[in-house]
This record gives sequence, structure tokens and C-alpha cells, in this order.
Amino acid sequence: EDQVTQSPEALRLQEGESSSLNCSYTVSGLRGLFWYRQDPGKGPEFLFTLYSAGEEKEKERLKATLTKKESFLHITAPKPEDSATYLCAVRASGSRLTFGEGTQLTVNP
Amino acid sequence: GAVVSQHPSWVICKSGTSVKIECRSLDFQATTMFWYRQFPKQSLMLMATSNEGSKATYEQGVEKDKFLINHASLTLSTLTVTSAHPEDSSFYICSARDSGVRGFDTEAFFGQGTRLTVV
Repeated sequence: EDQVTQSPEALRLQEGESSSLNCSYTVSGLRGLFWYRQDPGKGPEFLFTLYSAGEEKEKERLKATLTKKESFLHITAPKPEDSATYLCAVRASGSRLTFGEGTQLTVNP
Repeated sequence: GAVVSQHPSWVICKSGTSVKIECRSLDFQATTMFWYRQFPKQSLMLMATSNEGSKATYEQGVEKDKFLINHASLTLSTLTVTSAHPEDSSFYICSARDSGVRGFDTEAFFGQGTRLTVV
């Protein structure tokens, strides 16, 4: 059974204080790892897809990396508008996604 | 990215009535759409996979007679919560992948969600 574990559950940062979110996964035959951002009362917003170990992708202050067992979402010099819940999901066989529980990020001004 | 529109964004209904939620892919075709349920401070729980022109595939523990799914076209799937009860109150979210893109590894795009409150 595919499993995704995200840590920490919640993270509070000061504006400008860089940090990383972790997503550990156990799947048979990873076909894609996905990062989403979810604001309260909204659907998830797509951020990144990673396919193979060693791959990295960047978007503004966010950078996602992937190893064979985990993925990190690095946030550099975060701003209050980066506050949201960040979700990690994996796809093994078929087209369904298995989601982690998410990390709730709060960036204080 | 591709746009998935979900309607309504919120609905309040009386116990015992039925509610229909629509999910549309606006700029792409989707042979498969997914319906999720999300409780406060929890992650997304897949309820069912909606297949265009055929029956939906429900996850274990999800009552197919209560949560009716119809995927009549390549751009529209609907979820009807029948005989709703207060315990059905939740945040329902749909997602879709562009079926015009080859392979299963592309990202899924999500609707904005529907907050259902049954009173």
C-alpha cells in the first residue's frame, strides 16, 4: 500500500526565515511526486511534479527536490503570503494520487 | 495551468434533500475525474473515480447509492449527495487530468471545492 508522510504537521516561520518541509513516501514504482498548495476553503493549487531521484524544480521562493525515499520543499526567505497548507502526493500505478496529511505553514510578518 | 471549475462553492441544504455538485474542465478534456472529501485539518480522501461514459469506481467504504456520480461528457462530472444528513457535511473537491496528454504521470488540477452544510 502506498504511504505518504509529511513533516512537520505545522511550521511557524518569521518572514525571511528559510526552512524545508519533508515528504517521505513508500510506493511500488513511483510515477510522479506532486506538491500542491492549499489555502483555507480552496482546492489544492498545483506547484511541482518530480519524476526521478535527483530532480529539482523551482518556482519563485520554492524549490522541490526528490530522492528515492523523500522529497523536500525548500522555502527561501518566505513572505506572509506563502502561508498555506502544503500537500505532497504520489502516483504509483494507475492515475490515482495518494496524499500526505499536509504541513500547515504560517509566516509571520 | 489547466482550469477546473466546481459549482457551487458552498451550499446549505435541509436534511433528507439531495444536492448536486458540478465539476467542469474548462480548457481540456478529461476522461477521468476524481472526487475527494476533506474534513477540517485533514488531507484529501479519495471517494471515487469518475469515468466518462461508464460507471464510477468507488473507494472502499463509500456508499455508491448515496454519492451518485455521473460523467456524461469529457468536460463534466457531477456528484449528487442523496438524502443528505448532517454527517455528510464536508468539503468536497474534484480533480481532473488532461486526457489529451499521453501517460499517467501528468499533474491533476483541482476545482475550488464545495462546502456542503446539511442542517
